[in-house]
Amino acid sequence: ETGVTQSPTHLIKTRGQQVTLRCSSQSGHNTVSWYQQALGQGPQFIFQYYREEENGRGNFPPRFSGLQFPNYSSELNVNALELDDSALYLCASSGPSGAYEQYFGPGTRLTVT
Amino acid sequence: KQEVTQIPAALSVPEGENLVLNCSFTDSAIYNLQWFRQDPGKGLTSLLLIQSSQREQTSGRLNASLDKSSGRSTLYIAASQPGDSATYLCAVEEGNNDMRFGAGTRLTVKP
Repeated sequence: ETGVTQSPTHLIKTRGQQVTLRCSSQSGHNTVSWYQQALGQGPQFIFQYYREEENGRGNFPPRFSGLQFPNYSSELNVNALELDDSALYLCASSGPSGAYEQYFGPGTRLTVT
Repeated sequence: KQEVTQIPAALSVPEGENLVLNCSFTDSAIYNLQWFRQDPGKGLTSLLLIQSSQREQTSGRLNASLDKSSGRSTLYIAASQPGDSATYLCAVEEGNNDMRFGAGTRLTVKP
């Protein structure tokens, strides 16, 4: 069984640029959630995808967008990067939405300068 | 709006001690509560999941309890070891698929 993987591990971008982060779900999972974790804080929910459709969204602006592919892998896209977007971005996969454990990937550390 | 609070923010104990980490939440209408462990700069490892209809879950030296009516959960760690040093996060899942996390308790177990 393959766990949740994320790429890249680390990324440095300049303010105003765009970034794409990638996540591969754990085998058998059809739901992917994305979280932003600032230093010293708990993760904050960005959005969730279930069977390629957005299935819930947290309090993040539209410049945070996502995709889920038929193989249930996922992308998080952030446009017009701001300094405050610097954080650890985590994705988590799970079974049917709402009732199963979420399994997290190792995260992507994004630094915006 | 759901608020999740974890007390204490940091805890340092000698090896072998039993300890309790606390988590409180403001809205009792939750689907489940999950405890995670996070090592510095790493992702989260799920420790225990308690469904809203359950009172507790156990795994090895870990025991988590849930009291929905009072909005509280505790994570009990028995016979702590230096390898238990990490940040422990609790999170509640609500019906809108939004999982709300506390800020975590940073645990240090001294040899």
